[in-house]
Amino acid sequence: AQSVAQPEDQVNVAEGNPLTVKCTYSVSGNPYLFWYVQYPNRGLQFLLKYITGDNLVKGSYGFEAEFNKSQTSFHLKKPSALVSDSALYFCAVRDTGTGGGNKLTFGTGTQLKVEL
Amino acid sequence: KAGVTQTPRYLIKTRGQQVTLSCSPISGHRSVSWYQQTPGQGLQFLFEYFSETQRNKGNFPGRFSGRQFSNSRSEMNVSTLELGDSALYLCASSLEGSRGDTQYFGPGTRLTVL
Repeated sequence: AQSVAQPEDQVNVAEGNPLTVKCTYSVSGNPYLFWYVQYPNRGLQFLLKYITGDNLVKGSYGFEAEFNKSQTSFHLKKPSALVSDSALYFCAVRDTGTGGGNKLTFGTGTQLKVEL
Repeated sequence: KAGVTQTPRYLIKTRGQQVTLSCSPISGHRSVSWYQQTPGQGLQFLFEYFSETQRNKGNFPGRFSGRQFSNSRSEMNVSTLELGDSALYLCASSLEGSRGDTQYFGPGTRLTVL
């Protein structure tokens, strides 16, 4: 079965500094990886995904993620953090089982806090 | 294009009651998935519907059920509510539900069971 790990419950960063939110995965076969962000009392908002191709994926709001197959990682990054980036971030992997289907397996989430 | 909508946004029920939650997907999207989010268990997949058929199911008891209508709108039902069913229920839609599709989430329905 596939799984996703987000080793940090919380990441603190100063505004203007680069940020990284870590994610590692375990799947059989090729991974389909996603990042979502959740603001308080809201649903999940899609940031970016890796399906195939370039290892550096660019997404919404200046976020990007680097896929590393050898390290089974898909870390989320942003060159310059904003206070408004403070939110809960989830990494997810698409189920690789038979029968197609749309099941996402999520990590436990990382709370990002950007301070002035 | 309007996003995924869920109704109601908030619900308060008592143990033993049943509840029905509704989800309207993005126009043109045919796959609808449901997730439960709790502080203890995180985000867990409930089930997915495509073309009015349940295509995938998570590890939840039979009290949790769903359906999809011909216009792709979906409902989920929880019968005999338990305190542990208190959660944020999220609906997500995607075009075809293929592996590369992006799932777009609604704002969720916050269910509180007293």
